[in-house]
Amino acid sequence: GEDVEQSLFLSVREGDSSVINCTYTDSSSTYLYWYKQEPGAGLQLLTYIFSNMDMKQDQRLTVLLNKKDKHLSLRIADTQTGDSAIYFCAEREGGKLIFGQGTELSVKP
Amino acid sequence: GAVVSQHPSRVICKSGTSVKIECRSLDFQATTMFWYRQFPKQSLMLMATSNEGSKATYEQGVEKDKFLINHASLTLSTLTVTSAHPEDSSFYICSARAPSGSTDTQYFGPGTRLTVL
Repeated sequence: GEDVEQSLFLSVREGDSSVINCTYTDSSSTYLYWYKQEPGAGLQLLTYIFSNMDMKQDQRLTVLLNKKDKHLSLRIADTQTGDSAIYFCAEREGGKLIFGQGTELSVKP
Repeated sequence: GAVVSQHPSRVICKSGTSVKIECRSLDFQATTMFWYRQFPKQSLMLMATSNEGSKATYEQGVEKDKFLINHASLTLSTLTVTSAHPEDSSFYICSARAPSGSTDTQYFGPGTRLTVL
């Protein structure tokens, strides 16, 4: 099957920018997604990007897509303690979502 | 908009009993819903795709007789874990696909924590 890979941990200081990286393998993916999961909760859709786009910005969130390298990143500007969570990238394969392992973001005051 | 609920949020049961988990799309109709299982500190594993009015499609390695899925209406899908055993203890999350014409996005429920004693 297709693989989506992420680094497992990221630690930043409050106010800094966070960059979470993701690589995927299915070049035919049309949409790529970023979800946030807080402890004991479900997944919250943060943002998505269509495969013909290079960048999408939504308030503090910036998504960059390098389709040639199959690399997706999520940048969170001015990271706050409330941003501490696990972040999953996902690619759409047919009607299904294939998730990465999740990156645990820890924000220190 | 696009709110998905699950009930119950947490359940503890004895080994050998069956447990039903409900997934509802509250403000949209979902012809397709998905059931995932998540182990601690791990990613989501897709168990099955639930289509309204037809049989669910199960992923390889998922026992369809153990994890019964019913999608009786456009807003409700249920997952029944039959004859539960301690190894079935997990976090079960459902999602509902938003109507076509959008980005085909899946919206997730808050999850159900199942503990089998």
